[in-house]
Amino acid sequence: DAGVTQSPTHLIKTRGQHVTLRCSPISGHKSVSWYQQVLGQGPQFIFQYYEKEERGRGNFPDRFSARQFPNYSSELNVNALLLGDSALYLCASSLALSGRPIYEQYFGPGTRLTVT
Amino acid sequence: AQRVTQPEKLLSVFKGAPVELKCNYSYSGSPELFWYVQYSRQRLQLLLRHISRESIKGFTADLNKGETSFHLKKPFAQEEDSAMYYCALEVQRNGTSYGKLTFGQGTILTVHP
Repeated sequence: DAGVTQSPTHLIKTRGQHVTLRCSPISGHKSVSWYQQVLGQGPQFIFQYYEKEERGRGNFPDRFSARQFPNYSSELNVNALLLGDSALYLCASSLALSGRPIYEQYFGPGTRLTVT
Repeated sequence: AQRVTQPEKLLSVFKGAPVELKCNYSYSGSPELFWYVQYSRQRLQLLLRHISRESIKGFTADLNKGETSFHLKKPFAQEEDSAMYYCALEVQRNGTSYGKLTFGQGTILTVHP
């Protein structure tokens, strides 16, 4: 298994445009989370999806949306891009939603988004 | 809301010296705490979690609820330990995780030969 994969690797967009980022979880993993990592800071939680339903949402505007497909892959969409959206977007997958201990999250390599 | 603080952005030690990466958290309930590591040109990966009480690559971390700390320690640092280290906290409600990890800002550890 290649682990969590994300596409594209890099992306350059202009202010006001829309972007779609994609994530494929590890085979068998049903939970996908998205994080934004601005340069010099730790990752910040955006969304968590499990069984195609949103189960958690961070403090991000409605311009950010996501969905999860029947094969558990996921897309993160950002509308009306702002310069401040420039960041590394990380996807993480885990086996399930609940458990003891908490199921480990496995991170993808990220998509580097630059907004000009 | 929960918060994780890593007071040192940079930490430099020599090979063989002890190392301690500090992590403090604020959360009113019982948190699940983790240390994640990112080696150069690699993806973020879990190093250890407090509930496992295990030592990974010689690193240990003890949860101190009184001081709300979860410092990462290693008695003898190695050059291959050079990396970015993140402390993270996860909240569960009614036994359900929402996959929401709250990360600190990270500490870059450099181990000199």
